[in-house]
Amino acid sequence: NAGVTQTPKFQVLKTGQSMTLQCAQDMNHEYMSWYRQDPGMGLRLIHYSVGAGITDQGEVPNGYNVSRSTTEDFPLRLLSAAPSQTSVYFCASSYSISGPLHFGNGTRLTVT
Amino acid sequence: TQLLEQSPQFLSIQEGENLTVYCNSSSVFSSLQWYRQEPGEGPVLLVTVVTGGEVKKLKRLTFQFGDARKDSSLHITAAQPGDTGLYLCARYNFNKFYFGSGTKLNVKP
Repeated sequence: NAGVTQTPKFQVLKTGQSMTLQCAQDMNHEYMSWYRQDPGMGLRLIHYSVGAGITDQGEVPNGYNVSRSTTEDFPLRLLSAAPSQTSVYFCASSYSISGPLHFGNGTRLTVT
Repeated sequence: TQLLEQSPQFLSIQEGENLTVYCNSSSVFSSLQWYRQEPGEGPVLLVTVVTGGEVKKLKRLTFQFGDARKDSSLHITAAQPGDTGLYLCARYNFNKFYFGSGTKLNVKP
């Protein structure tokens, strides 16, 4: 069982560069979400989706875009990376919008 | 506010000791989830508590949901090195999950 797969595992960007963090799940979950994890701040919700074609903002959406064209995939785009976006990013999915959440193993992003 | 406060922030104990970690809020939860996260991995669900006063046991872990549904605790009996990790509580509200900042537990052999 692959579960939730995130790629890449590590990434270094320069300020102003763009990139896409990939997230795929094979559990046919409707609900998918992106979080960032910073030291001492737990997990903060960036964007979420309750199904294909539907996305909405979380607590910290600025600087990030998402789309959901299929049930399986939920990519997160950074259009112009900033040092403040240095963090560990987690994708999660759930069969029900009330959970439980199944997480990928994260992408560690450093912006210099 | 959706703020969840977890305490203590850090805990370092010897194998065999007991411990309790807490998750508190000023507002009522409809339900609360506890997750454990190991280094380099994503969080994994331990339990969901729904009813005020509810107690759930998972081997040596005991989870309690406060009567007023504003707080929860996790008690570990006879901690083992395998219990080392970051313990996170999370609440669900209107399509969104809100996480506490976590308790980082280190159990020394």
